[in-house]
Amino acid sequence: DTGVSQNPRHKITKRGQNVTFRCDPISEHNRLYWYRQTLGQGPEFLTYFQNEAQLEKSRLLSDRFSAERPKGSFSTLEIQRTEQGDSAMYLCASSLSGDNEQFFGPGTRLTVL
Amino acid sequence: SQQGEEDPQALSIQEGENATMNCSYKTSINNLQWYRQNSGRGLVHLILIRSNEREKHSGRLRVTLDTSKKSSSLLITASRAADTASYFCATDAYTGNQFYFGTGTSLTVIP
Repeated sequence: DTGVSQNPRHKITKRGQNVTFRCDPISEHNRLYWYRQTLGQGPEFLTYFQNEAQLEKSRLLSDRFSAERPKGSFSTLEIQRTEQGDSAMYLCASSLSGDNEQFFGPGTRLTVL
Repeated sequence: SQQGEEDPQALSIQEGENATMNCSYKTSINNLQWYRQNSGRGLVHLILIRSNEREKHSGRLRVTLDTSKKSSSLLITASRAADTASYFCATDAYTGNQFYFGTGTSLTVIP
């Protein structure tokens, strides 16, 4: 399978704990995006990378959120001191460029108790 | 806040009928994309239309774009039960780097 993969698929954590998600994009794609989606809503843009450079971050992304793409391949999204409001589906997508379709991964569903 | 807004929020039709969904957005765009999402799954890209295009076809899908009205429509012809899903439009901001999704249209096709 050469699509976008995300791990883990599900994560249950207690409030205050840190969590880290991983995204492996399609190998030749330069751009990588992170989105958050809550029930009944569309995905909300969080941040995007062009190769290893994080070029834009949404104002939705609080200081507790950090994302990396150290070698321009896979990316990680870390949430520190999780809150119940962080419960959502976290989606990763990749594309060749901004003018191309984005290919989405299956998402990581986070539940903060 | 999300830029795109789909209309209607929910649509229920009989198999074989056509389904039309609309999307309105607020600012200038480079392109507009439509995605489908089955319950609890990731999004699947359907079609991309650029700001200088007015209409595009892909199989049973027809997309129109009216930049003067800042709106787009997605028509699915001869619907099938397998088309049951949520449909989202996504627009890029003027920088082309951020993408904004609407709240989606939930389509149910009754066999």
